Amino acid sequence: DSGVTQTPKHLITATGQRVTLRCSPRSGDLSVYWYQQSLDQGLQFLIQYYNGEERAKGNILERFSAQQFPDLHSELNLSSLELGDSALYFCASSVGGGSFAEQYFGPGTRLTVT
Amino acid sequence: AQKITQTQPGMFVQEKEAVTLDCTYDTSDPSYGLFWYKQPSSGEMIFLIYQGSYDQQNATEGRYSLNFQKARKSANLVISASQLGDSAMYFCAMREGDSGGGADGLTFGKGTHLIIQP
Repeated sequence: DSGVTQTPKHLITATGQRVTLRCSPRSGDLSVYWYQQSLDQGLQFLIQYYNGEERAKGNILERFSAQQFPDLHSELNLSSLELGDSALYFCASSVGGGSFAEQYFGPGTRLTVT
Repeated sequence: AQKITQTQPGMFVQEKEAVTLDCTYDTSDPSYGLFWYKQPSSGEMIFLIYQGSYDQQNATEGRYSLNFQKARKSANLVISASQLGDSAMYFCAMREGDSGGGADGLTFGKGTHLIIQP
């Protein structure tokens, strides 16, 4: 158990809908990262927050957004869902935000868009 | 161009043998970190080992060691005395430093599917 929690574990929704994925980092970790794992694209970095502020953006679509709250938990919002958004979404956390910070992953949320 | 290359899509290894999983990387940043993760069939991503670009010695964590050859830009994972529970996908990842301004997430390779046979 990495100490990172994600809810829900599974999510099934229809195209065009909006969903929110939730992540709680390890105790003491200030950085939260979101990743998407799909068969087509592999593991891709989406976005990073550090202590409530957006720090880095990866391949995140405009239909997706995220935020980190004062208690450091984070939410990833996915809207206007398409079939291609079906994937495993991971949240990871680390103590700091620099390149030498080990990232610990949550169990993931498996999103199925039908 | 791919930043992380894992050339072995799949490997079969006998139990108790040592395993080397290949990883080469591409960066012009002098400061970077290299990571290996294990993903069992259950899906979670488990952090195994880390090597910093300025580290003089190869990283080790229990049965895992990282064969870091900076000039060749390779960071191979070595698993000694493999066990059945080592069967999983293994991902090599890199994070480049902050010299370019702003920190990025991890860039992952496509992974190697390791199967340990009894």
